[in-house]
Amino acid sequence: DMKVTQMPRYLIKRMGENVLLECGQDMSHETMYWYRQDPGLGLQLIYISYDVDSNSEGDIPKGYRVSRKKREHFSLILDSAKTNQTSVYFCASSPGTANTEVFFGKGTRLTVV
Amino acid sequence: AQSVTQPDARVTVSEGASLQLRCKYSYSGTPYLFWYVQYPRQGLQLLLKYYSGDPVVQGVNGFEAEFSKSNSSFHLRKASVHWSDSAVYFCVLGSSNTNKVVFGTGTRLQVLP
Repeated sequence: DMKVTQMPRYLIKRMGENVLLECGQDMSHETMYWYRQDPGLGLQLIYISYDVDSNSEGDIPKGYRVSRKKREHFSLILDSAKTNQTSVYFCASSPGTANTEVFFGKGTRLTVV
Repeated sequence: AQSVTQPDARVTVSEGASLQLRCKYSYSGTPYLFWYVQYPRQGLQLLLKYYSGDPVVQGVNGFEAEFSKSNSSFHLRKASVHWSDSAVYFCVLGSSNTNKVVFGTGTRLQVLP
């Protein structure tokens, strides 16, 4: 069963706390992504990972960092969360070329208060 | 630079009516184009994709899209919508030389019973 799994699905954190969002995929995909989705803005790319320890900034990387130590896992870290990082975060994966389907997780709704 | 424009933030149609959701793209290279659908509290799911060949591509659940190079468009169509088609639809552009994809801002479709 081809799947991208995100944990947790819902998270409430206080401003200044650290946040860890986890993502796993069972398809051995090389490429993984983190996006955030905000009303009226579509999906914005935070980071893209081409394989283990091969990560690149996306369009809005400020305030985020990522870790990919295993091909099947890709973590998003917010050091000292801010209220403007309240959003829905989606992890995705793809086989590694631009003309293939991207598979999405169900998202993590993060609220920073 | 790549960009995708979905000019209609919201579309409302009656059940059984035909549907067209508009998408315009900007890209100097060979575009790979996708339509994704997002149901409430879910991730994005692929509806259809276009790489080359026949400009009309068929997708799941009776959806189709037509690629027009002259108009830089990739409009989504359905002959007769069902209430369960209510969702947010994203037009997505992939490039021929990177793994990045660019999302439109989405069109929220409401189907009235």
